[in-house]
Amino acid sequence: GENVGLHLPTLSVQEGDNSIINCAYSNSASDYFIWYKQESGKGPQFIIDIRSNMDKRQGQRVTVLLNKTVKHLSLQIAATQPGDSAVYFCAENINGQGGSEKLVFGKGTKLTVNP
Amino acid sequence: GAGVSQSPSNKVTEKGKDVELRCDPISGHTALYWYRQSLGQGLEFLIYFQGNSAPDKSGLPSDRFSAERTGGSVSTLTIQRTQQEDSAVYLCASSLVGTDLYEQYFGPGTRLTVT
Repeated sequence: GENVGLHLPTLSVQEGDNSIINCAYSNSASDYFIWYKQESGKGPQFIIDIRSNMDKRQGQRVTVLLNKTVKHLSLQIAATQPGDSAVYFCAENINGQGGSEKLVFGKGTKLTVNP
Repeated sequence: GAGVSQSPSNKVTEKGKDVELRCDPISGHTALYWYRQSLGQGLEFLIYFQGNSAPDKSGLPSDRFSAERTGGSVSTLTIQRTQQEDSAVYLCASSLVGTDLYEQYFGPGTRLTVT
């Protein structure tokens, strides 16, 4: 079946380093992808999104790369800070029943930033 | 402005009892979603409401689960005859459909524990 998953369940980096979180997806019809950040005890928070007609999109300290050939999505965080410690989820947009929009989430990667 | 709110924040119930979880979406958001998140797992889609359209119930795990949305705003997720495997965090999200973005804003969740 279709799924969105992550290569690495945990990632530990030193403060100031760059972080790369990866995600694989299998639904070739997905046209929209989102990265969410979830801190402990909170709901997921939108970080950045990208459409399938793009390969790269940059935000503040974050960059999302999309490789449709291998169905791979990555989130790059520059100069990682302790406040970046959280679980990061990728999600793909698929059409649900009756044309509704539905997000399918991966299992998440836990990022730990060491001071 | 106010974000998505959910109540209660924590709920402990005995196996076999019914529970109701409430979600107040962001004012003006026409789409409302319910997800379930088990410990250390990703988000599992449950149900989606959009305006006056029939809800997408494709993610509800059993007929013990139901949800309604009154007046296009507040939503209630009901779990009847709760089982221990229902223990999870239940997240609600809302979004403003009609734009070209599918960003969903999440509430803090309700942590349900079935003993």
